[in-house]
Amino acid sequence: KNQVEQSPQSLIILEGKNCTLQCNYTVSPFSNLRWYKQDTGRGPVSLTIMTFSENTKSNGRYTATLDADTKQSSLHITASQLSDSASYICVVSANPDKLIFGTGTRLQVFP
Amino acid sequence: GAVVSQHPSRVICKSGTSVKIECRSLDFQATTMFWYRQFPKQSLMLMATSNEGSKATYEQGVEKDKFLINHASLTLSTLTVTSAHPEDSSFYICSASARQGHQPQHFGDGTRLSIL
Repeated sequence: KNQVEQSPQSLIILEGKNCTLQCNYTVSPFSNLRWYKQDTGRGPVSLTIMTFSENTKSNGRYTATLDADTKQSSLHITASQLSDSASYICVVSANPDKLIFGTGTRLQVFP
Repeated sequence: GAVVSQHPSRVICKSGTSVKIECRSLDFQATTMFWYRQFPKQSLMLMATSNEGSKATYEQGVEKDKFLINHASLTLSTLTVTSAHPEDSSFYICSASARQGHQPQHFGDGTRLSIL
């Protein structure tokens, strides 16, 4: 069964700290993996997208990694800001085209 | 970058009302549009996929007569929730892709539907 699991479910950190969110998937065949940020009451916004051959990709303070062998991905946020408070969703694209959504990690950054 | 606009952002209406939600691709032609539903603290659930000029493909368990989808042009898809009831209250999100059959890159900002 195609599944995407994320951990932790929720996370609270202080402003300026780093954090890492995890994503494990059992999706086959694999096309690509995306990380989205979703602010409360808004649609998801793409942060990164990685294909099978890519191990890491950065977008500003966001760095995603992908280990296709272990089927794991992580999203590292550096020097967190209050505006980073949101849900972060890991989405794996399977072939034929189908998106498998994780349940997300709810991040709260406090001053 | 590519932008998907969704309207309205929020709707509050009485039970039995039909509600139409619009999804527009602002700077690209969207051959495929997707409609999702999201309950609180849950992830997005795909409701249906619509390709311009053809009938929408609904996911299992989604009533096509309840959720009418029209994708009449390459920049506009509409979702009509017919005879809405309180259990239809949810966050509805559309997304659009410029390439037929390929997965969406761009999501709208969602429509919060509240049925009283």
